This record gives sequence, structure tokens and C-alpha cells, in this order.
Amino acid sequence: NAGVTQTPKFQVLKTGQSMTLQCAQDMNHEYMSWYRQDPGMGLRLIHYSVGAGITDQGEVPNGYNVSRSTTEDFPLRLLSAAPSQTSVYFCASSYDGAGTEAFFGQGTRLTVV
Amino acid sequence: SQKIEQNSEALNIQEGKTATLTCNYTNYSPAYLQWYRQDPGRGPVFLLLIRENEKEKRKERLKVTFDTTLKQSLFHITASQPADSATYLCALPFNQAGTALIFGKGTTLSVSS
Repeated sequence: NAGVTQTPKFQVLKTGQSMTLQCAQDMNHEYMSWYRQDPGMGLRLIHYSVGAGITDQGEVPNGYNVSRSTTEDFPLRLLSAAPSQTSVYFCASSYDGAGTEAFFGQGTRLTVV
Repeated sequence: SQKIEQNSEALNIQEGKTATLTCNYTNYSPAYLQWYRQDPGRGPVFLLLIRENEKEKRKERLKVTFDTTLKQSLFHITASQPADSATYLCALPFNQAGTALIFGKGTTLSVSS
């Protein structure tokens, strides 16, 4: 199994550009989440989903949109990129919210210039 | 929402010693707590889960304790090895429904030979 796959691995954007970070999992997990990781800040929850058609905001949702049209995919959209969104982004999935382990993708390193 | 503190950013120990990492949380008592390992350039990997009704959990050289009165978890690595060098993250449910995880900032462990 591939697990959680994120694309692209690296991306450079100009301020104001938009883009979508892709996340796909092949484990039939209902729960999926997006995090950003910055030096000294740890992993911070951006948005999460508990199933197709259901999404909600995490700790730092501003500037990001998500949708969940299928169980497998959970894309993260930056509508108008800002330098403050330069970060490493991780997608995670888990079977449920009752303590089952979360599986993470390899991350997307995004630089906004 | 929950707040998490991992008491030290870095911990340096000698090979063979026991490493002890601390995770403190505020607000409501979580139904469970998890520990993850993260190597540079990679996503976190699940290590251990401990539930609120469990005092202690062991897995090979790893031991986790959970004190709901102190609102604290301790993570121990016994007989540490240079290969244990990594960042260790404490994770809790984002809310009482457990719809996502939130993470502490992590403790970077360095084991010298």
C-alpha cells in the first residue's frame, strides 16, 4: 500500500498566486487532516475532515480552504499565497478519532516569495 | 481547545542512558495521548498510544506513563542508542470528539556514543 501520498514535494510560489496541495490515501480512512510545521512552532492543525462532505477548521485555518468530495482525497487550497504561508505542509489520515494511529505523508515544502 | 507543552526543545544524553521526555496539557482531560517520532525531512511516525484509564504502557525499550491528575505524560527510552536520535512529539485529541490531533512542539533527542 502507498499509504498517504502528498504532491508536490516542493513548490515555489509568488505572492498572490494560488495553488492546491494534493493529499491522497489508500487505506479507506475516514479522518484526514492538514498541518503546517514551522521551526519552533511544531505541527499546527489547519483543517480536518471526518468523512466525505464534512470539513472543519483547526487551529490556524485562515488563508486556506479544503474540500472532501471522496474518501481518498483531501486537497488543501491556498487562494492567494503570502510569505507567511512558507512552511512544510503535512497531510495525515486515521481510521477514526478514538486513538487509532495517524499516518502522515512525506510533506510538501512550500516557499512563497 | 487543548493546549500542549513539551518541556524542553532539546535533550542530549549518552548511549545506554534512559531518556525521559515530558508532555503537559491544560484544559480538559483527553481520552488518550499518543507519542510520535519524526526524523528530519520526514513525516511523523506513530510510536505509542495510552488511554486515560491506563497508567503505563510499554513497547520494547519504550515506556509511556499518563497521570491525569498532574495532566502529564512521561515518555522513556531505556538503553538509548544513537539511532534513537530524532524529534519526539506528544499528541492529543483536538477536541473531546477526537476529530483530529494536535501536537506539542516536540523534543529533539540526541544520543551520543
